[in-house]
Amino acid sequence: DTAVSQTPKYLVTQMGNDKSIKCEQNLGHDTMYWYKQDSKKFLKIMFSYNNKELIINETVPNRFSPKSPDKAHLNLHINSLELGDSAVYFCASSQGKGAHGYTFGSGTRLTVV
Amino acid sequence: QKEVEQDPGPLSVPEGAIVSLNCTYSNSAFQYFMWYRQYSRKGPELLMYTYSSGNKEDGRFTAQVDKSSKYISLFIRDSQPSDSATYLCAMSHSGGYQKVTFGTGTKLQVIP
Repeated sequence: DTAVSQTPKYLVTQMGNDKSIKCEQNLGHDTMYWYKQDSKKFLKIMFSYNNKELIINETVPNRFSPKSPDKAHLNLHINSLELGDSAVYFCASSQGKGAHGYTFGSGTRLTVV
Repeated sequence: QKEVEQDPGPLSVPEGAIVSLNCTYSNSAFQYFMWYRQYSRKGPELLMYTYSSGNKEDGRFTAQVDKSSKYISLFIRDSQPSDSATYLCAMSHSGGYQKVTFGTGTKLQVIP
């Protein structure tokens, strides 16, 4: 299946832990994104990579570090997790600037306890 | 003021009704306009995109953009229970790698 796939789907962890979320797309797109969706459904961009180069880096705590080993993969590592990090994290991809829309993954529901 | 405003709903309509979903925006530089559908516990799915002003139709869905009023709409004809979801508008500038700004979504329920 052609898609954007993220793992894990669910992540429950304690405050202070470090965790990673992985994302892979097999659509041949050259741009990938991480979005955070809060409890009110607001989608906010965190990072964007084009061909492994960071092109968008929103005001995000430096505890969040993205890594793109190649244009098909974009991972998100979070250090020292806090309660406020609880949200759904979506990976997405597009060809070019994404003005014609993104393809989203199914999300990773992160709960910090 | 948020760049993109969208009524969160919920909006409940009977099956077969015509649904109108709307967004207003403040940034006149937005040129690309998109609508996404998000089912519960799923990722957003692109429904339609348009460039600048005008209408675009795809099956039961019609997207309209009025740049003079900074207002976009999505119409759903002959609504079905399977259309029950949250609908997100999104928009971006032209030129360069500009971020896409999303509305907060309108929750739609189509009652059989």
